[in-house]
Amino acid sequence: DAKTTQPNSMESNEEEPVHLPCNHSTISGTDYIHWYRQLPSQGPEYVIHGLTSNVNNRMASLAIAEDRKSSTLILHRATLRDAAVYYCILIPNRDDKIIFGKGTRLHILP
Amino acid sequence: NAGVTQTPKFQVLKTGQSMTLQCAQDMNHNSMYWYRQDPGMGLRLIYYSASEGTTDKGEVPNGYNVSRLNKREFSLRLESAAPSQTSVYFCASKWDRTNTEAFFGQGTRLTVV
Repeated sequence: DAKTTQPNSMESNEEEPVHLPCNHSTISGTDYIHWYRQLPSQGPEYVIHGLTSNVNNRMASLAIAEDRKSSTLILHRATLRDAAVYYCILIPNRDDKIIFGKGTRLHILP
Repeated sequence: NAGVTQTPKFQVLKTGQSMTLQCAQDMNHNSMYWYRQDPGMGLRLIYYSASEGTTDKGEVPNGYNVSRLNKREFSLRLESAAPSQTSVYFCASKWDRTNTEAFFGQGTRLTVV
């Protein structure tokens, strides 16, 4: 299974944009890039996913490098509620397994 | 619409006792999962089920058994609990093998003493 590498932790100021990086140099052509986040004392929740093109939804944007070896989750205006652990996960198309890594713990400073 | 419901929310077991963690989803999902999360760590996949009647091992299946009772329910059984199984257990479900989002329950906090 292809692996992802994320920084252990990051800090950002409230109301500023946040760019969370993820490296996945061994990604294969059928791997989708998924992001989940886990707020304190809660189960993970889906954020966004993509294959090749950049994606936007109400929560965030996903920027995927042209060679697909890295991606960036963008929170456009961080709030205190965005403090969480963010997981970047590769899921092959037509595969059921969802394997989590260690993720990035995001701290938001008021 | 409750989503993914786990019972119980908290449980304390003595070493050697058995118990079953229950999970039910009301979204007509085909795929269901069990994870454990130790303090300060990420989630590790125990077992998953692609459809009713099928189950597959994940990363850490030893010490656990699962049953996909029907499409709605996926249970996790600890036959002889050990202190190393103290953890928070999460159940999840998603539509199927297509790239759709997974929904997670709120977790069961299990302590084995």
